[in-house]
Amino acid sequence: SAVISQKPSRDICQRGTSLTIQCQVDSQVTMMFWYRQQPGQSLTLIATANQGSEATYESGFVIDKFPISRPNLTFSTLTVSNMSPEDSSIYLCSVEGLGNSHLNTEAFFGQGTRLTVV
Amino acid sequence: KQEVTQIPAALSVPEGENLVLNCSFTDSAIYNLQWFRQDPGKGLTSLLLIQSSQREQTSGRLNASLDKSSGRSTLYIAASQPGDSATYLCAVSNLWGGATNKLIFGTGTLLAVQP
Repeated sequence: SAVISQKPSRDICQRGTSLTIQCQVDSQVTMMFWYRQQPGQSLTLIATANQGSEATYESGFVIDKFPISRPNLTFSTLTVSNMSPEDSSIYLCSVEGLGNSHLNTEAFFGQGTRLTVV
Repeated sequence: KQEVTQIPAALSVPEGENLVLNCSFTDSAIYNLQWFRQDPGKGLTSLLLIQSSQREQTSGRLNASLDKSSGRSTLYIAASQPGDSATYLCAVSNLWGGATNKLIFGTGTLLAVQP
């Protein structure tokens, strides 16, 4: 399995501000994803973080609101911009393709970032 | 559009009991199915991954089965323990899309094992 470090683990932010969440993996992976889990609900995919190019966003999510970076095979960031209370959620980083192999399809998750917007 | 449903939504059992969690999906063209557990306020821990060509996977007291044609999977937990208390999530990935492992999650089953 992979060790995935997500920072910060939690934060309380003022509306209108932005927060950047970091995801660091201890080995190279082919794919990195960002999910959102709203209170009492299951996980929804925000976007796929692509190395060296723009992220691929799911319906209902846009780059201006959730800019994503992935400079290499082990690191990605998600920014939640211009936050409102509706953005209060757990944000989770996920990876697959350990060892930079597409044959390894098991998904692993970080511990999540619990965001509260006041 | 793939939809994943899990029943029951919540389950409470006494310690030592064997139990079954159910997961169903509407589109049988899946690439794989994965079971996770989530402790309150935490991330997800991968339990079992079943490839579309497989029928079941086992890990310790856990056994997951897959019937792709009927769109169903079950997670069997033997001799349950209080430490098994958590939310159990089922997720499938489909063959469509650029990322083959883009996961679609069910709503989860909240399990409480009473000592």
